[in-house]
Parts: sequence; structure tokens; C-alpha cells
Amino acid sequence: ETGVTQSPTHLIKTRGQQVTLRCSSQSGHNTVSWYQQALGQGPQFIFQYYREEENGRGNFPPRFSGLQFPNYSSELNVNALELDDSALYLCASSSVNTEAFFGQGTRLTVV
Amino acid sequence: ELKVEQNPLFLSMQEGKNYTIYCNYSTTSDRLYWYRQDPGKSLESLFVLLSNGAVKQEGRLMASLDTKARLSTLHITAAVHDLSATYFCAVDKAGGTASKLTFGTGTRLQVTL
Repeated sequence: ETGVTQSPTHLIKTRGQQVTLRCSSQSGHNTVSWYQQALGQGPQFIFQYYREEENGRGNFPPRFSGLQFPNYSSELNVNALELDDSALYLCASSSVNTEAFFGQGTRLTVV
Repeated sequence: ELKVEQNPLFLSMQEGKNYTIYCNYSTTSDRLYWYRQDPGKSLESLFVLLSNGAVKQEGRLMASLDTKARLSTLHITAAVHDLSATYFCAVDKAGGTASKLTFGTGTRLQVTL
């Protein structure tokens, strides 16, 4: 079991609302990456945070944004939720040249 | 753009049989990973392959990497029901930074009794 924790584990939101997901990284790791996994698909890279700044972004619109805090924990914010945002959101913590360790995920349902 | 393809997408096999899952990727990479995912769960790391010719084994699973062919395989020996899950390969083109993974489409493995 990894030391990466995500909260909440499940939530339901209405289209147009905003949501914040949280991730605590594993001890010793300074980088957090976020992935979106739609049902039946592989995870897609959203973005990565290193030293509190965005360090790479996948093909996701600006309404997906993030933060990293001095303790290396991170938030993923999604504005103006759409039905297609329903997915499992995975957080992974790592450091340079180390393996990424994934949290248990947050299941977001947009209705 | 890095692309990762897996085949087959779905695999139904009987207990005791052997089979191989293939993972092709389009550009050079730093590391290749294999993950297992059970329904509704997160990703469980199985193997990390770092160099050409790398081979790793754990129980009934063995992974290999051929960087020249840009191909990795996950071989299942004498399958058991407990191996039923979805398996993903992922390629890391980190370039000296922390991992940014590109995942394959996944192979859903169903082992029947």
C-alpha cells in the first residue's frame, strides 16, 4: 500500500458546478501528477505539479486547474463541470527518476 | 506525440493456459510500467522496466522490454482466476523529471475456471 491518499473517495456533482479533489503525496516525494480515467479507458495525464508550479499539462481545457502546497500535497479543481467529466481521478506522487505511486482515486459522477 | 497501443483489448482464457499481452509504443522512452487494475480500484504497480532486454518476473507474470522494437510483453503462465483484472502498460518519457505517464488502452483479462 502506497502513502498517497486522496479525498474524497466518491462524490456526485451537478453539471455546471465546481469541484475540488485533494491528494497527499508520499513522504519524500515532491511531485504530484493527476490523471483522468474514464470508464473503460486508460488513464489520461492531466497535469503535473513540482515545487508548487505546473510542470507539464496534457490535452485538458483550462477549466481543469491545480495547486501544489509547500508540503507537496495538491488539489485538482474543475470548473463548469460537464457530464463527460465523470471519471476516476487518480493522483500519483513521485520525485525525479522515481516510480510514480498512485492513490486510491476519487470517483466523480456528474449528473 | 507518444502513442501506446496494447493488444488484445480483451482476453478470455482458461485456467492453466499461457498467453502474452503486447504493448507497442511510438517513441523512445525512459521507463515502461505494467499495472494491474481491479474493477473500481486504483492502479497496482506490477513491473518497472528500465533498459533494453530487461526481464522481470513475479509469480505467474513475466514482463520484458525490447527498446529497439519499442515493444514490451506481459506473459502469463498457467493462468489462475485471481489474475482476472485489467492490465495497463504505461510509458514514461520523463526526460530527467518526474514521471509523466502515457497509458495504453488496457487489456481486460478474464480467466475462466
